[in-house]
Amino acid sequence: DTEVTQTPKHLVMGMTNKKSLKCEQHMGHRAMYWYKQKAKKPPELMFVYSYEKLSINESVPSRFSPECPNSSLLNLHLHALQPEDSALYLCASSQDPVGPGWTEAFFGQGTRLTVV
Amino acid sequence: GESVGLHLPTLSVQEGDNSIINCAYSNSASDYFIWYKQESGKGPQFIIDIRSNMDKRQGQRVTVLLNKTVKHLSLQIAATQPGDSAVYFCAEKGKIYNQGGKLIFGQGTELSVKP
Repeated sequence: DTEVTQTPKHLVMGMTNKKSLKCEQHMGHRAMYWYKQKAKKPPELMFVYSYEKLSINESVPSRFSPECPNSSLLNLHLHALQPEDSALYLCASSQDPVGPGWTEAFFGQGTRLTVV
Repeated sequence: GESVGLHLPTLSVQEGDNSIINCAYSNSASDYFIWYKQESGKGPQFIIDIRSNMDKRQGQRVTVLLNKTVKHLSLQIAATQPGDSAVYFCAEKGKIYNQGGKLIFGQGTELSVKP
């Protein structure tokens, strides 16, 4: 199983709503990531979890709140978003977060988020 | 990536020709590089990787070349097929131990294959 599963695939939310994006992997990977991708642009790193602990926050606004309940799950809680936050949100995982054995990150299909 | 400005670089090739996609990376301390393929509406898909102690690696129909002197990475696709049409991103990982593998993407190149 080399899949990273993201739900939902599409999400439309109002600026006052609270919603959550979910990500799951069963590859035993110990690093998980959230990326944001705008159209025709590369993915931009938001957060990195290493062994279930937040290790990198790329100065992301607090209206985005990540959570890693266990080694297989990663959530992104959304609150009071702006229309400019509309984007494709990608989750990824990789095997070894810290050592020279680091290998490629596997990506999910993403959640297409529209903020209205 | 090596592109600047608002437009995604594009490469148009004829089916059956070879394609070469280039990427300039930024961090001389990066020790691992990956090429990803992203089709419309999908997440990035791993194609091939290379570590900084190598200068060439071959896969099935793909070859990655790494020139650390000029911080340049290239992806060669042999006998390009219509199914290869996608956006291709290079990505680099720096040596940030104990902080997870911080993978940074280049700007991407849109490959269009004409039948």
